Amino acid sequence: NAGVMQNPRHLVRRRGQEARLRCSPMKGHSHVYWYRQLPEEGLKFMVYLQKENIIDESGMPKERFSAEFPKEGPSILRIQQVVRGDSAAYFCASSPTSGSTDTQYFGPGTRLTVL
Amino acid sequence: DQQVKQNSPSLSVQEGRISILNCDYTNSMFDYFLWYKKYPAEGPTFLISISSIKDKNEDGRFTVFLNKSAKHLSLHIVPSQPGDSAVYFCAASQGAQKLVFGQGTRLTINP
Repeated sequence: NAGVMQNPRHLVRRRGQEARLRCSPMKGHSHVYWYRQLPEEGLKFMVYLQKENIIDESGMPKERFSAEFPKEGPSILRIQQVVRGDSAAYFCASSPTSGSTDTQYFGPGTRLTVL
Repeated sequence: DQQVKQNSPSLSVQEGRISILNCDYTNSMFDYFLWYKKYPAEGPTFLISISSIKDKNEDGRFTVFLNKSAKHLSLHIVPSQPGDSAVYFCAASQGAQKLVFGQGTRLTINP
């Protein structure tokens, strides 16, 4: 009974490099959400995707960040030209549908450190 | 604009007693509320939820109370156990899409 999988668990990048974070939802889940947690803060919503569609990207920074959830394979959160302020824990969650009482289940997170 | 607030950064409770964690929200359109528990270096773990049509939901040692008129919810854990020591986040959503989280409360259960 695999839960939400994220990899890598830890990622170190130098300023200006690209970071790719991957998320495989729980079996049977078709909705994926990405959240970011800065130190000593709560989780902040970034983007909500279904297969091949971005439903809500209101929390995504306008530049350098993009997300996709292709028909086959995991969801990818991509950060181009990383800066030190991108250092954070990035969590992915999935749910079976977007019904009003569908709980989101979280993965273990990817901790991004930008040097 | 912090729509979900947990005003107590930390709470210390003796083992066996009741832990009460509080959460306030400002958006009256929120219709679904959840509590998550988080250990360091792990993802949030779902604990319990409540729909806005209810005022109480119970699951074992965990009970969530919702007071819509006050825009307030609370999580009661009784009896508290050492394994309950963690950071607890409340979250709210409108239509169960994006979750809005509070800042978290660090609960410590003392033996």
